[in-house]
Order: sequence, then structure tokens, then C-alpha cells
Amino acid sequence: GDSVTQMEGPVTLSEEAFLTINCTYTATGYPSLFWYVQYPGEGLQLLLKATKADDKGSNKGFEATYRKETTSFHLEKGSVQVSDSAVYFCALSDGRETSGSRLTFGEGTQLTVNP
Amino acid sequence: DTGVSQDPRHKITKRGQNVTFRCDPISEHNRLYWYRQTLGQGPEFLTYFQNEAQLEKSRLLSDRFSAERPKGSFSTLEIQRTEQGDSAMYLCASSPDRAHGYTFGSGTRLTVV
Repeated sequence: GDSVTQMEGPVTLSEEAFLTINCTYTATGYPSLFWYVQYPGEGLQLLLKATKADDKGSNKGFEATYRKETTSFHLEKGSVQVSDSAVYFCALSDGRETSGSRLTFGEGTQLTVNP
Repeated sequence: DTGVSQDPRHKITKRGQNVTFRCDPISEHNRLYWYRQTLGQGPEFLTYFQNEAQLEKSRLLSDRFSAERPKGSFSTLEIQRTEQGDSAMYLCASSPDRAHGYTFGSGTRLTVV
């Protein structure tokens, strides 16, 4: 079945550092890929998405490129802020109509940014 | 519209009791999803509704679990004879169609003691 593997956390960085959170996936067909962010006590929020190979999703300074050849969708940000501290989830959608495009999530990566 | 609402936010129950959670999706969204999230893990799919029809259920959804969306608007998730392993965050999400991402609610945290 479909699966998503994220780099193990937690990740601790200083403000203005460069961030990479690795994500690889296994899926049949042509999934869509997502990054969600979860702040303490809140639900998941969509951060960015890419629906086909070589697409780049971007939002709030975060970027991720859909790499079909390496089955990866790594999240990057050039300069993190304290307010970026949260749990980040990589996810894929199989796109099948019968599943309503259900999401398969990775385990999540806790990011802490220190001032 | 204030997004996806879930009630209650927290629920503590004794093992063996029944519990019911409610989800109010964004009003124009016809797709509704339930996920379960345990500590340190990503959310796991439980079930999916399109309007009032329950179109898919995960194998995680044992016969103690039942979900309904009677009029294609709000949904309920009931767990009968709760077990300690049911302790988790139960997340609801809605979407207008396949092309759009989900909007998640803040979840209901269940603790079974």
C-alpha cells in the first residue's frame, strides 16, 4: 500500500537557519503530494502541495519539489523563524475517486526554532 | 463560515463506556473525512463521506466504531465499549472536491481511563 517516510525528528534550529525536512514516498499511480503543519493545540493546516512530477509547491517561504525519479518531496526554507516551530507532516493522496482522495501521512517532524 | 468545528474538544471516559463525537464541516463542502492521530504519529484515515453516503471505511474502523452523516451536513463518530487503545485525537476534515485540499478541525482528544 501507499506509505510516506519522513526524516526522524525532532529538529532544533536557530533563527535564520536553513531548514530541510526529508520526505520520501511509495505509491502506485500518480499521487499528489502535500505538506501540512500542526501548531500546538490546533488542527492541521495545508502548507503547500504539488500535483504532478517536477511541480514546485511554495507558501510562506517554504518550498518543496515533486521528484518522481527519487520519489521525494523534501521541505525547505531558507531562513526559519521562531514562529515556524510546529510539527510538519508530509502526505500523499492517491487520487482515486473511490477513496475520495484519502491522505496517507508520514509520522511528522517536530521543528523547534530558538531565538 | 468559521471552518470545521468539532465537539467536544476533550473527552475523558471510563473503559467500556460509549462516546460520540460531532463534526460540523464547512457548509459548502460535500466531502467529509475522519482521521485518528495517536501521540507522535501522523493521522490515519478512518472513513470518508460524500454527502450522506459513506463511501469508504478503513480496516482500522472496527465494529465498535460507527460514523454517520445523516443529511449530508454534520457527522457523528461513535465508539462503543471504549478501550484504552482508543485514546487518541480524532480529527475531522472537509473538502469541496478532489482538486482542493482538506480543511481540518481542531480535533477531539479522547482519553479512556
